[in-house]
Amino acid sequence: LAKTTQPISMDSYEGQEVNITCSHNNIATNDYITWYQQFPSQGPRFIIQGYKTKVTNEVASLFIPADRKSSTLSLPRVSLSDTAVYYCLVGRIYSGNTPLVFGKGTRLSVIA
Amino acid sequence: DTAVSQTPKYLVTQMGNDKSIKCEQNLGHDTMYWYKQDSKKFLKIMFSYNNKELIINETVPNRFSPKSPDKAHLNLHINSLELGDSAVYFCASSQVRSGGDTPYEQYFGPGTRLTVT
Repeated sequence: LAKTTQPISMDSYEGQEVNITCSHNNIATNDYITWYQQFPSQGPRFIIQGYKTKVTNEVASLFIPADRKSSTLSLPRVSLSDTAVYYCLVGRIYSGNTPLVFGKGTRLSVIA
Repeated sequence: DTAVSQTPKYLVTQMGNDKSIKCEQNLGHDTMYWYKQDSKKFLKIMFSYNNKELIINETVPNRFSPKSPDKAHLNLHINSLELGDSAVYFCASSQVRSGGDTPYEQYFGPGTRLTVT
């Protein structure tokens, strides 16, 4: 499973766009990039997944450059309720024996 | 309806006891997981079951035994509880794609906070 590096914490004011970058230099050809969000006392929640270029859904956008060695999760106009830990995962699980590893994540604090 | 549910939400017990945590998903998924999140907030997979068969078994003490009576349930039984078992345990589920690989879109339960005293 490709190792990921992301900032430990970030602060933002309400209404701003937040970009969280994740580095994954040894990403493999078949690996996907996935982001999860975890609120305190809750389980992680899937946000977005992509393979290359750009993916957008109702919650966020995911930008992946051509070399795929990094990715950026973009949260438009954050609100206080976006305060959470955001995890970047890179890899692919086969119905075999590849384990999932969540890193330390990025703790986003949104300030009024 | 809750997609992935766990019971109990909180569990306080003494060292040496045996306890179980139950998990149920109503999403029709064929793969279920158990994760442990320790005090440092690291989230690590423990087990994974696909169609009731064990497919991932990380380095977990034998005191932990998962049981999957059917595709919708994956229970976790822990024998001889130790102080280091204190953590939040999350159950999750996903649907394996037709190519045989499991995507990262997993649905997590609310967690069970286990405290061993």
